[in-house]
Amino acid sequence: GAGVSQSPRYKVAKRGQDVALRCDPISGHVSLFWYQQALGQGPEFLTYFQNEAQLDKSGLPSDRFFAERPEGSVSTLKIQRTQQEDSAVYLCASSLVWSQPQHFGDGTRLSIL
Amino acid sequence: DAKTTQPNSMESNEEEPVHLPCNHSTISGTDYIHWYRQLPSQGPEYVIHGLTSNVNNRMASLAIAEDRKSSTLILHRATLRDAAVYYCILNRNSNSGYALNFGKGTSLLVTP
Repeated sequence: GAGVSQSPRYKVAKRGQDVALRCDPISGHVSLFWYQQALGQGPEFLTYFQNEAQLDKSGLPSDRFFAERPEGSVSTLKIQRTQQEDSAVYLCASSLVWSQPQHFGDGTRLSIL
Repeated sequence: DAKTTQPNSMESNEEEPVHLPCNHSTISGTDYIHWYRQLPSQGPEYVIHGLTSNVNNRMASLAIAEDRKSSTLILHRATLRDAAVYYCILNRNSNSGYALNFGKGTSLLVTP
């Protein structure tokens, strides 16, 4: 069956450019999460959506990071004016409802030159 | 948030049982204990979770101490495909959902 799909799989950008990362959650999943994983570290929470509502964005590291899920399905994580410290794997996860196990995509590896 | 402590790495022989420990001495009464694993170049994968009682599923067993201050993930018969980083997580329950606080996990090496 279809799992969580993320695109692109790899993204290389120059410092200062804007990037957009896409997440297609499992159909029907209400909850959607974004995580950031630095090399050699565990994933760290960025933000959470319930349907189209962004209920928690406490993990976003700066106002350069913006996430949206306008129709309650596909989500986009946008990073403006990228910096080298933004280089990481960005993981998306969805769950049927907030208390159920999360299903993860394989992530987008972002490299900022 | 309550924290978990896991060994950085463990090693096991193929086809032998593996016991992965986790300490969580500051766990609160409503915290669930979750285990996820992450294979190389993949996203994390749910393994099992529990509250107070021991739990079994097709992937593993979870043994929870009576005082809930520690737990053990048990892989009954390790295979090479079980080589991964295993994360023990106490859910961060907030009004807005179960965001997972991963930590660094235990890197499991399985040798033939």
